Amino acid sequence: KNEVEQSPQNLTAQEGEFITINCSYSVGISALHWLQQHPGGGIVSLFMLSSGKKKHGRLIATINIQEKHSSLHITASHPRDSAVYICAASTMDSNYQLIWGAGTKLIIKP
Amino acid sequence: NAGVTQTPKFQVLKTGQSMTLQCAQDMNHNSMYWYRQDPGMGLRLIYYSASEGTTDKGEVPNGYNVSRLNKREFSLRLESAAPSQTSVYFCASSEGRWGGRPQETQYFGPGTRLLVL
Repeated sequence: KNEVEQSPQNLTAQEGEFITINCSYSVGISALHWLQQHPGGGIVSLFMLSSGKKKHGRLIATINIQEKHSSLHITASHPRDSAVYICAASTMDSNYQLIWGAGTKLIIKP
Repeated sequence: NAGVTQTPKFQVLKTGQSMTLQCAQDMNHNSMYWYRQDPGMGLRLIYYSASEGTTDKGEVPNGYNVSRLNKREFSLRLESAAPSQTSVYFCASSEGRWGGRPQETQYFGPGTRLLVL
C-alpha cells in the first residue's frame, strides 16, 4: 500500500464544473504539498499546508490532520486547468525526501 | 529571474555513454534536488544537496553521481548510461531555511528528457 494515495487517477469534466481531487496518507506528516504538472512537463508548487485551508484564486486546498486526508478543489474549472495534480507529503522523520502520490490527470473539456 | 534552469532539454545516449545534466538556480537557495520521473510513477529523489558543500543519496542513487559546484549549480552525472535510466529528470531547489527540510516549497526546473538506447 502506498503511503500517499490520490484519487481519482483520471478525471474528465466540463468547463465550469467544481473539481475535487483527494489525497490520503498513512504516515505522520509535517506538511502536505500540492503541485501541478503542465502538459508540457513543467512542475509548479501550488500549496504547502500543515493545517486548515489555503486559497489561491480558484484553487482551494484543505487538510484534515485527524483523518489524514487532503483535498484540492478547483472552482469554475477551465480548460487551462487541464494538468496532472500531484500531492506529496513531508513526513515527520523524512530526511529531505518527499513521499509522492502518483498524480491525478485532469482534463477539462470546453 | 530565470528560477531553475536545466540543460540540455533533450538527449539521446547509447548504452555505456556518459553525460552530465546541468542545473542552476538564481534564487539564492541553499538546497537543491535531482528527481527522475517515469511513466505511471511518482517523482523519485536521486540525490539532494542540503547546502553548498554537502550531497546525500536519495531513494534511487545507483548509477548516478552529483556535484554541488557552488551555491547556484548542482549537476547530475551518468557515468555509464543504461536503458533503465531513460526518464525525465527534474532539478529543484528550496530556500533551505529549515536546513532544507522538505516542509519547504520546492521550485522545479523544466526537466531533461533522456533516452538511452
